Amino acid sequence: DAGVIQSPRHEVTEMGQEVTLRCKPISGHDYLFWYRQTMMRGLELLIYFNNNVPIDDSGMPEDRFSAKMPNASFSTLKIQPSEPRDSAVYFCASSLAPTGSGETQYFGPGTRLLVL
Amino acid sequence: TQLLEQSPQFLSIQEGENLTVYCNSSSVFSSLQWYRQEPGEGPVLLVTVVTGGEVKKLKRLTFQFGDARKDSSLHITAAQPGDTGLYLCAGVNNAGNMLTFGGGTRLMVKP
Repeated sequence: DAGVIQSPRHEVTEMGQEVTLRCKPISGHDYLFWYRQTMMRGLELLIYFNNNVPIDDSGMPEDRFSAKMPNASFSTLKIQPSEPRDSAVYFCASSLAPTGSGETQYFGPGTRLLVL
Repeated sequence: TQLLEQSPQFLSIQEGENLTVYCNSSSVFSSLQWYRQEPGEGPVLLVTVVTGGEVKKLKRLTFQFGDARKDSSLHITAAQPGDTGLYLCAGVNNAGNMLTFGGGTRLMVKP
């Protein structure tokens, strides 16, 4: 399997622009997670899906952030409008079953976002 | 919110030395995981500890879960340059569906 695929790997945009990050989970995985990593705040869970349904979005910073999972093989994280403080590395991860059952979360390589 | 604190934040040692990284919380976790992350990549799971007092060994790495399931440690024996990276601990919440990550320990092992 190719693992979790994320695109783009790098994104540079200007403040106020819309940014869309994409993720393809490992085939057959029912859980998909979006994380954000910064030096100041570390790795934070933004939202996770189970069978394409958003389960917990309490980590989404504000209304400018939205995430969708239209099918089992694709998810997007959108920021509109983007701000410089959104600059971070955004990771997507997937797993077969809930983490608490001993399942492993497999992380993608991340998208490095810079908002000027 | 369950918080995990890792110490030290940075560690630079010579090849062959031993080291211990700590992960502490005031909250109880159902289990705890340790990840290693290299530059430009996502974290990769090293181990999951589930039972209070549990000790797991992975070659030169020894992981321990505290008796009260609030803290954990990672000990590396005879560190090698290939051990260089960011080590993250992550607690699994009691519902078993979400991870809370610690701030990480950035380890550099010099040859």
